[in-house]
Amino acid sequence: SYVLTQPPSVSVAPGETATITCGGDNIGRKTVHWYQQKPGQAPVVVIYISTDRPSGIPERFSGSNSGNTATLTIYRVEAGDEADYYCQVWDRSGDWVFGGGTKLTVL
Amino acid sequence: EVQLAESGGGLVQPGGSLRLSCAASGFPFGDYDMHWVRQVTGKGLEWISGIRSAGDTYYSDSVKGRFSISRDYAKNSLYLQMNSLRAGDTAQYYCARGVRGFTHFDIWGQGTLVTVSS
Repeated sequence: SYVLTQPPSVSVAPGETATITCGGDNIGRKTVHWYQQKPGQAPVVVIYISTDRPSGIPERFSGSNSGNTATLTIYRVEAGDEADYYCQVWDRSGDWVFGGGTKLTVL
Repeated sequence: EVQLAESGGGLVQPGGSLRLSCAASGFPFGDYDMHWVRQVTGKGLEWISGIRSAGDTYYSDSVKGRFSISRDYAKNSLYLQMNSLRAGDTAQYYCARGVRGFTHFDIWGQGTLVTVSS
């Protein structure tokens, strides 16, 4: 089955830029989605189809996808962005696959 | 308001069965694919099962043969029948709506906790 690899943690100071990666074999050929999950809450999609933002998600959230790595970039990080972030794809095997998740800490 | 509400979680012994429900409201339930995603406390998200609007079903290898997904269009409800439960099935179970024409989930319930323990 298809495997997505994320760093367990990323730390960034307020106002800086956070970069969260999601690695997968030729992931650039797939559409990647990103979810934010805060403690005790259900996940919320923040980026879909690799680069699009749902309404209500700040423009500070941006996605890219090429080669073997998809990336979620959060500009001008705020304390409220502290959360777990998951990438997700659909694989032709018929499975929906999540990455292991990255804990974003705002210092 | 578009909403999903799970129920049916609880404590069950290993080898036992449990049926989860997910009540959908605020949207045409029959037009959407629906899914179950679980999360062990402190761990990541795991997709386990999906059902298309037309009724086709999908399962992860971890639950195939033990779990069964179904839907009742008249009741706007999604179900997950879980049999032969193991300690490793202990998790928060979320139902989620699939986005039409795409491969992600746009609406999630708040989840229901399943604990498998003797």
